[in-house]
Amino acid sequence: AQKITQTQPGMFVQEKEAVTLDCTYDTSDPSYGLFWYKQPSSGEMIFLIYQGSYDQQNATEGRYSLNFQKARKSANLVISASQLGDSAMYFCAMRESYNTDKLIFGTGTRLQVFP
Amino acid sequence: GAGVSQSPSNKVTEKGKDVELRCDPISGHTALYWYRQSLGQGLEFLIYFQGNSAPDKSGLPSDRFSAERTGGSVSTLTIQRTQQEDSAVYLCASSNGGSISYEQYFGPGTRLTVT
Repeated sequence: AQKITQTQPGMFVQEKEAVTLDCTYDTSDPSYGLFWYKQPSSGEMIFLIYQGSYDQQNATEGRYSLNFQKARKSANLVISASQLGDSAMYFCAMRESYNTDKLIFGTGTRLQVFP
Repeated sequence: GAGVSQSPSNKVTEKGKDVELRCDPISGHTALYWYRQSLGQGLEFLIYFQGNSAPDKSGLPSDRFSAERTGGSVSTLTIQRTQQEDSAVYLCASSNGGSISYEQYFGPGTRLTVT
């Protein structure tokens, strides 16, 4: 079974608008962490935001926020005020406390921001 | 400070040859990870080193793959008798310890092409 599911292979958004990238996960571990990474065409993986399973509030980092709905097992990334430089692949990932420290990645969503 | 570095950045090899990929983690980081990213796919975990503990090799796809980490720093991923399906980008990451919240910092990757 898929541990991390990203159902949107591609998304388009106009510059300055907000966009939500979906991520659902599957785990029976009560202690886990959720991560979002950005991968531009240059290939490097850039950490964006982290949400812990026990965190009471949704994580925010600048224009990035994570809409964490624990009961639904979803951790959607919201990018506000999109910029052309946000065009990239976005990966959701999970780390489970019992499963060493490896990250389990989704298949990614390609975001394209147009003027 | 310096990030994670990987060499070579690109490697083209003939089927059946052995290859070695190198990773230099961020100085002081105790954890080191190898992932593989096939074209258009998410990242697939290969192997994880944490301090002096036995590595987690659960993601290695076959016994042709091996990795070592010398002196708790530099790591080498070796692929013996390469096959065309080994063609992918191999990404190395490091992090500062085993806490679930610690982000992993990724290197630029080595693009391996097996002809």
